[in-house]
Amino acid sequence: GAGVSQSPSNKVTEKGKDVELRCDPISGHTALYWYRQSLGQGLEFLIYFQGNSAPDKSGLPSDRFSAERTGGSVSTLTIQRTQQEDSAVYLCASSLSDVHEQYFGPGTRLTVT
Amino acid sequence: SQQGEEDPQALSIQEGENATMNCSYKTSINNLQWYRQNSGRGLVHLILIRSNEREKHSGRLRVTLDTSKKSSSLLITASRAADTASYFCATAPYTNAGKSTFGDGTTLTVKP
Repeated sequence: GAGVSQSPSNKVTEKGKDVELRCDPISGHTALYWYRQSLGQGLEFLIYFQGNSAPDKSGLPSDRFSAERTGGSVSTLTIQRTQQEDSAVYLCASSLSDVHEQYFGPGTRLTVT
Repeated sequence: SQQGEEDPQALSIQEGENATMNCSYKTSINNLQWYRQNSGRGLVHLILIRSNEREKHSGRLRVTLDTSKKSSSLLITASRAADTASYFCATAPYTNAGKSTFGDGTTLTVKP
């Protein structure tokens, strides 16, 4: 079946603009995760959803970051008033539940100029 | 600091040799997972080992878990050039399993 998909694959935006990143998880996966990866670094946890609720938002770097998930499926990560330090690859993953292995999408490379 | 930390940071071996990577963590876990990332963006899940398991195998991969030492190792036997990648461990905390924490990874280079 289809894997996790993310859009756009690349996004270049000007500092101060808002951006929306989208994630389509594998059908039937109840858990969905957002991570950020800077060049040559590991993954930084941002937020995860179990169904439509987010039990842990502690990884969001600032109040400029928000995420939502509707219908237990698609999720969007929104970054308001982007800053240059927001430039990174944003990865989404999904899993059957929060104690199962995660399947990753290809990521969105965000560049803030 | 990261919950999971891999060691070594980089490893270079000849094709056919075995590669061992280690992961240490700090708090009690529900499970520990190993992932591979080739140059590019996608991470591929390799093995998940639960806190009540001590060893798991998948093809040429062998993962061990020692919860008393809070450490895990990934062994790749008979390595191939195609195994060249970065390898990450991720720990799912016992009380908040969805909040996986990744280390900075081990970069493995397998020379033909």
